[in-house]
Amino acid sequence: AQSVAQPEDQVNVAEGNPLTVKCTYSVSGNPYLFWYVQYPNRGLQFLLKYITGDNLVKGSYGFEAEFNKSQTSFHLKKPSALVSDSALYFCAVRNTGTASKLTFGTGTRLQVTL
Amino acid sequence: GAVVSQHPSRVICKSGTSVKIECRSLDFQATTMFWYRQFPKQSLMLMATSNEGSKATYEQGVEKDKFLINHASLTLSTLTVTSAHPEDSSFYICSARVTRGITYEQYFGPGTRLTVT
Repeated sequence: AQSVAQPEDQVNVAEGNPLTVKCTYSVSGNPYLFWYVQYPNRGLQFLLKYITGDNLVKGSYGFEAEFNKSQTSFHLKKPSALVSDSALYFCAVRNTGTASKLTFGTGTRLQVTL
Repeated sequence: GAVVSQHPSRVICKSGTSVKIECRSLDFQATTMFWYRQFPKQSLMLMATSNEGSKATYEQGVEKDKFLINHASLTLSTLTVTSAHPEDSSFYICSARVTRGITYEQYFGPGTRLTVT
């Protein structure tokens, strides 16, 4: 069975500082990894994904994530946080099978303050 | 491109009534759609996989007679919550799958907040 762990319920960071939201995964075979963001009472918006290739993936709104196979991690990062980045962030994984389904982590709330 | 809409965005109904939620892929065709449920401050739980022209596949623990799913066309899937009860109150999110070569992408709708009184 595949699973995703987001160990932090909430991450607090001051605007302008770098942010990291952690994610580790477990999946059989090669993983496809995703980050989504959710604003209050809204659906999920795609941020970025890792399929293959370069371990550092760049996505929307200045976010990036680094795939680390040995640590089975896919942490989300941004060099300089904005107050508008405050939202709920979900990491998700599936394997490369065509019938594979996404499994989501429990989410991490990012709070960026002035 | 790849926009998924849901209607209604918010619905309040009385206990015992049925509610239908629509999920549409606006600019693409989706042979497969997914329905998720999200409780407050929790993650998305997959309820069922909806395939166009065939019966939905429900996840373990999801009552198929309570949560009726119909995927009548390549752009529309509906979720009907039958005989709703307060414990069915939740945020329901649909997602449409698009095949891209050997892999696929999932696009999510904005969600429907159901409140059963």
